[in-house]
Amino acid sequence: EDKVVQSPLSLVVHEGDTVTLNCSYEVTNFRSLLWYKQEKKAPTFLFMLTSSGIEKKSGRLSSILDKKELFSILNITATQTGDSAVYLCAVDRSTGTASKLTFGTGTRLQVTL
Amino acid sequence: NAGVTQTPKFQVLKTGQSMTLQCAQDMNHEYMSWYRQDPGMGLRLIHYSVGAGITDQGEVPNGYNVSRSTTEDFPLRLLSAAPSQTSVYFCASSREWSGINEQFFGPGTRLTVL
Repeated sequence: EDKVVQSPLSLVVHEGDTVTLNCSYEVTNFRSLLWYKQEKKAPTFLFMLTSSGIEKKSGRLSSILDKKELFSILNITATQTGDSAVYLCAVDRSTGTASKLTFGTGTRLQVTL
Repeated sequence: NAGVTQTPKFQVLKTGQSMTLQCAQDMNHEYMSWYRQDPGMGLRLIHYSVGAGITDQGEVPNGYNVSRSTTEDFPLRLLSAAPSQTSVYFCASSREWSGINEQFFGPGTRLTVL
């Protein structure tokens, strides 16, 4: 059975801290791993990773994939209160032209002043 | 572009009632999908479509029907609502796989079945 596991489930940090969110997976036909940020409504796309060892960066956020050990991490440096959200990891399971996303349950991040 | 739009935003149904959740996108995306999000369960795929006239089941298809008569629209039908279908429903769209498959999500529909 395909599964995506995120840890921790939740964490509270102070503004300025650095956090690392984890995502491990066991799926058949891996195509890519995606990270989303979900505040109050729809998830918004952060990164898509397809190759091991290549870091993706966007401002204070970065992510990397390890396809051998089947995990990814999302780092956020110098956290701000606006980073408070649920961070979702999803794995795209290839089925030809049709992609299917299997999501983890998310990590709830709260950044306090 | 409006992106992905969903209606209604909120809905309350009684057990046994039927209804259709609407989803539309104006990005000419081939791939559209429906997810439900429940506390502690993450997002789960209900049905998806790779193009007009083509649909397939996801992880949790029971109790839901879909059709795709146009590229733009992908409605989700609840045939006989049950309390277990109380959830937040998200529609998403993306281009077919070409090395990039970012899915764009709609704002969601919060459904309560009494």
